[in-house]
Amino acid sequence: KAGVTQTPRYLIKTRGQQVTLSCSPISGHRSVSWYQQTPGQGLQFLFEYFSETQRNKGNFPGRFSGRQFSNSRSEMNVSTLELGDSALYLCASSGSMNTEAFFGQGTRLTVV
Amino acid sequence: GESVGLHLPTLSVQEGDNSIINCAYSNSASDYFIWYKQESGKGPQFIIDIRSNMDKRQGQRVTVLLNKTVKHLSLQIAATQPGDSAVYFCAENIRGAAGNKLTFGGGTRVLVKP
Repeated sequence: KAGVTQTPRYLIKTRGQQVTLSCSPISGHRSVSWYQQTPGQGLQFLFEYFSETQRNKGNFPGRFSGRQFSNSRSEMNVSTLELGDSALYLCASSGSMNTEAFFGQGTRLTVV
Repeated sequence: GESVGLHLPTLSVQEGDNSIINCAYSNSASDYFIWYKQESGKGPQFIIDIRSNMDKRQGQRVTVLLNKTVKHLSLQIAATQPGDSAVYFCAENIRGAAGNKLTFGGGTRVLVKP
C-alpha cells in the first residue's frame, strides 16, 4: 500500500510569488491535514479537509488556503510569499477521526 | 540533513539501555495521543497511540504511559538501538473537535551512543 505522497520535495520561490503544494493520501483515506514545521515554531496545524470540505483550520493568515478533490488528493496554496513562510510543509492522511495520521515526506519550501 | 529544531532537549542514551521520553500536555479535553519519530529529511513516522480511556499501551519495544491526573505522557523504548536516533514528538487530539487537528509538543532529540 503506497504511503502519503507529496510533491514537489523541494521548492525555491521569491518573495511575493505564490506556490501550490500537492498531497496524495493513502488509498481509502478521506482526511488530509496540512502542517507547517519550522525550527522556531515546531509543527503547527494549518487545516484539514474531509470529503472535499475544510473541517478544521489553524491560526494562519488567509494567504494560506487549501482544497481537496473528489479523489481525496489535496493541494495547499500560499499567496504573496514571505521569507517567514520558509518551512517544511507536511501532509498527513487519516481514515477517520481519532485514528493514526500518516505523514508524507514533506515539501521543503524556501522563500528568497 | 534537515534540522527539525535547533534547541531541542536532548536525551543521550547508551545502545542497549532503555529510553524514556516525557511529554506534558495542557488540554484536559484531549482524548487521543500519538507518538511520532522523525528522522532527518523525513516526515514524522507513527510509533504508537493511546486513547484517554487507557493508561498504558505496548507495542514492539515501545510502551506509552498516560497519566491524565497530571496531564503527562511518556514513551519508553526498550533496548535502544542506533536506528532509534531521531526526534520524537508527542501529539494530542482534542475531544469534540470535528476531525483531526493534532497539537504537537516541541520534540525531544534522542542520540544513541554505540
